[in-house]
Amino acid sequence: EAGVTQFPSHSVIEKGQTVTLRCDPISGHDNLYWYRRVMGKEIKFLLHFVKESKQDESGMPNNRFLAERTGGTYSTLKVQPAELEDSGVYFCASSRVKYTDTQYFGPGTRLTVL
Amino acid sequence: GNSVTQMEGPVTLSEEAFLTINCTYTATGYPSLFWYVQYPGEGLQLLLKATKADDKGSNKGFEATYRKETTSFHLEKGSVQVSDSAVYFCALSEFGNEKLTFGTGTRLTIIP
Repeated sequence: EAGVTQFPSHSVIEKGQTVTLRCDPISGHDNLYWYRRVMGKEIKFLLHFVKESKQDESGMPNNRFLAERTGGTYSTLKVQPAELEDSGVYFCASSRVKYTDTQYFGPGTRLTVL
Repeated sequence: GNSVTQMEGPVTLSEEAFLTINCTYTATGYPSLFWYVQYPGEGLQLLLKATKADDKGSNKGFEATYRKETTSFHLEKGSVQVSDSAVYFCALSEFGNEKLTFGTGTRLTIIP
C-alpha cells in the first residue's frame, strides 16, 4: 500500500509569488489533514477534510491560504501571495476512520520564501 | 486551549544509554496521547500511543505511560541504538476533534 505522498519536496519562491502544494493520501482514506512546522517550532494544525468537505479549518492562518480537495482524493494547498513568514515544512496526513484511527503522514514539503 | 510541552533538544547520547524525553500536556478534556518520530528524509511515523490514564504504549523498545495525575507522557528506552537518531514529537488529540496538537520536537542523536 502506497503511503501519503507530497509534491514538491522542496520549493523556493520569492515573496509575493504563488505556490501550490499537493498531497495524495492513502487510497481509501476519507480524512485528510494539513499541518505545518515553522522555524523549528511545534507542528501546527491547518485544516481537516472529510472527503471533499472542510471539516475544520480553524488553523488556517489567513486568507492567503486556500485548500481544496476536489473529488475527495488529492488535496492542494495554495499560498497566494507568499510572505516570508510562510516558510516552513508543510505536512499532509490521512486516516481512514475518524476519532480513533492513526494519522499517516507524508514526508512534507519544505517551503522557503525569500 | 490544548498544549504540549516537550523537553528541549538537541539530545546526544552514546549507544546503549538510557533515554528519557519529557512531555507534559494541558488539555480541556480527556485526550489521547502520542509519540511520533521523524527519521531523516522521511515523514512522521506513529511510534506509540495511549488513550486512557495508566495505559502504557510501547513499540520498538520505547515506552510511555499516560499519567493523568501529573499530565505527563514521558518517552523512555532502556538502551538506545544509532538507528534511533531522529526527531521525536509528543502530541495529543481529543475525542471528537481529530486534529493533533504537537510539542516542539526533540532531536535525538545517538553516537556509537
